[in-house]
Amino acid sequence: LAKTTQPISMDSYEGQEVNITCSHNNIATNDYITWYQQFPSQGPRFIIQGYKTKVTNEVASLFIPADRKSSTLSLPRVSLSDTAVYYCLSSPDKLIFGTGTRLQVFP
Amino acid sequence: DAGVTQSPTHLIKTRGQHVTLRCSPISGHKSVSWYQQVLGQGPQFIFQYYEKEERGRGNFPDRFSARQFPNYSSELNVNALLLGDSALYLCASSLGGYNEQFFGPGTRLTVL
Repeated sequence: LAKTTQPISMDSYEGQEVNITCSHNNIATNDYITWYQQFPSQGPRFIIQGYKTKVTNEVASLFIPADRKSSTLSLPRVSLSDTAVYYCLSSPDKLIFGTGTRLQVFP
Repeated sequence: DAGVTQSPTHLIKTRGQHVTLRCSPISGHKSVSWYQQVLGQGPQFIFQYYEKEERGRGNFPDRFSARQFPNYSSELNVNALLLGDSALYLCASSLGGYNEQFFGPGTRLTVL
């Protein structure tokens, strides 16, 4: 099963751009890269998914290089409400979660 | 639109008992997955069902079982509860395949 590696924690301030990088060296050809956000005592919430190059939606951008061995989630102008755990996954349907990146946004 | 619903929201059991957790997927979703999340860790995959058939099973003992009904709702059963089964149990539904999974609020199980 594909595994991902990401930083355990990150700190930022309101209004800054936050980039969280994830390593997935063993990603399979048919795997998509998916990011979820989770607040305490809630289920994870889908943020964005991509296969290659760049994907952008209303909340984030996802950058995937040509070799697909890593990806970067970009959150523009974070606010306090973006404080959460962010998970990077590379399995298509049976989601394999790691420990995630705990993002703390300060005022 | 109603999201994924789970019941009960909280549950307290004692060691050795069994428990049944329930999940109703989003209307039109045919795939349901179950996850266990212990405090401080990411969710761990337990089961996935699609069209009432088991599509995948995580590394959990046989005390854990599940099923999916004709209306696509699902039950997770855990027998002979252990203290280590205390966790947040999450259900997620999707259209299937590579589609986005939508998670419910979870059931908080405490085993004493």
